[in-house]
Amino acid sequence: DGGITQSPKYLFRKEGQNVTLSCEQNLNHDAMYWYRQDPGQGLRLIYYSQIVNDFQKGDIAEGYSVSREKKESFPLTVTSAQKNPTAFYLCASSPGASSGNTIYFGEGSWLTVV
Amino acid sequence: DAKTTQPPSMDCAEGRAANLPCNHSTISGNEYVYWYRQIHSQGPQYIIHGLKNNETNEMASLIITEDRKSSTLILPHATLRDTAVYYCIVRESYYGGSQGNLIFGKGTKLSVKP
Repeated sequence: DGGITQSPKYLFRKEGQNVTLSCEQNLNHDAMYWYRQDPGQGLRLIYYSQIVNDFQKGDIAEGYSVSREKKESFPLTVTSAQKNPTAFYLCASSPGASSGNTIYFGEGSWLTVV
Repeated sequence: DAKTTQPPSMDCAEGRAANLPCNHSTISGNEYVYWYRQIHSQGPQYIIHGLKNNETNEMASLIITEDRKSSTLILPHATLRDTAVYYCIVRESYYGGSQGNLIFGKGTKLSVKP
């Protein structure tokens, strides 16, 4: 089936540790995105990539890092510099960046700092 | 900030049409209106999008006013499984210098009741 796969679904992290969330898509989409959602809130953009080997910071990039070495993969690393990392993380992709291209979402990953 | 305004909550009787309003008075000429819904702990599900004309698909209809300052999402025969948070979003135009991002507000919590 075509789609966006995020893993793991649930992840626990000790304070001071880096963790990496995986996002893979087989839709042949050029653009990929990472969002963060806190309870009762809307989604906020962390990073986005419009093409392989290129990515840009979103509204809340501090404490996060990404890479886009392959078209189908856009992993997100939550570093120890992220002071409040407990949240629901959503990966998304789109055929392109223009407004008429639909953005599709994965099922999300829950990260909890213990 | 989100470019859209939605009521925080609405109720609808099962089997009846659900009409969800959205105001987007500052929308630009090349920006599309998107609707997504999110059930708790899942990724947002794409419903429909439009630019100027009314749109219909297997899930819903989208009515956009002629001045494009508001729209209405119509679920023709709501079921209990349609209970979710519905987001109306104006997608920025990347080529206008923005991120081409979806800026989420808090959405409308639709409760379908038996």
